[in-house]
Amino acid sequence: QKEVEQDPGPLSVPEGAIVSLNCTYSNSAFQYFMWYRQYSRKGPELLMYTYSSGNKEDGRFTAQVDKSSKYISLFIRDSQPSDSATYLCAMSGDAGGTSYGKLTFGQGTILTVHP
Amino acid sequence: SAVISQKPSRDICQRGTSLTIQCQVDSQVTMMFWYRQQPGQSLTLIATANQGSEATYESGFVIDKFPISRPNLTFSTLTVSNMSPEDSSIYLCSVDGSHAALYNEQFFGPGTRLTVL
Repeated sequence: QKEVEQDPGPLSVPEGAIVSLNCTYSNSAFQYFMWYRQYSRKGPELLMYTYSSGNKEDGRFTAQVDKSSKYISLFIRDSQPSDSATYLCAMSGDAGGTSYGKLTFGQGTILTVHP
Repeated sequence: SAVISQKPSRDICQRGTSLTIQCQVDSQVTMMFWYRQQPGQSLTLIATANQGSEATYESGFVIDKFPISRPNLTFSTLTVSNMSPEDSSIYLCSVDGSHAALYNEQFFGPGTRLTVL
């Protein structure tokens, strides 16, 4: 079993839809949770960064972390064609732990938003 | 966030040869990381490079195959040695969020797309 599981999709939605992207994980030491966006032939771009459980909102993007369920989500409201990309979840552990600073990535979800 | 560049952006190499990939950052950073992204796969950490010390390799990656240099706080190189077609991949460097030494907030370069024939 992989430490981080992410639905690979692909996911295709119409413009304006609400998109939900999800990851589950098995390592209870993970404390930092990130979402990256990767356009074709580009490096990953950090979208959202959260620590421990809770919600974080940034414009049209909302990240949720439920550590009790080992489940994280990224919601995109009013999706746009420019949101079409691969979305990667990533996680790491707390300072002093063996996984601190080492990102473990999900497989990535390919999202297409069509006009 | 830091601006990161990588050279070369892509290369096609012959089996048995070696390729050195450069990563340059526009500001001083504590930690630099090297990842591999195989076709259709996610990113896998190869090693962590700290200036002034030996790189720390993840399970499945060894120094003889992937030697790394970190001569200063803005530069690192990764060499892929004695290449085989299985080494065909995108190689990415990343750096920590140096303003607060947030090693978990990493920023990535554009990647080097390597094809081994």
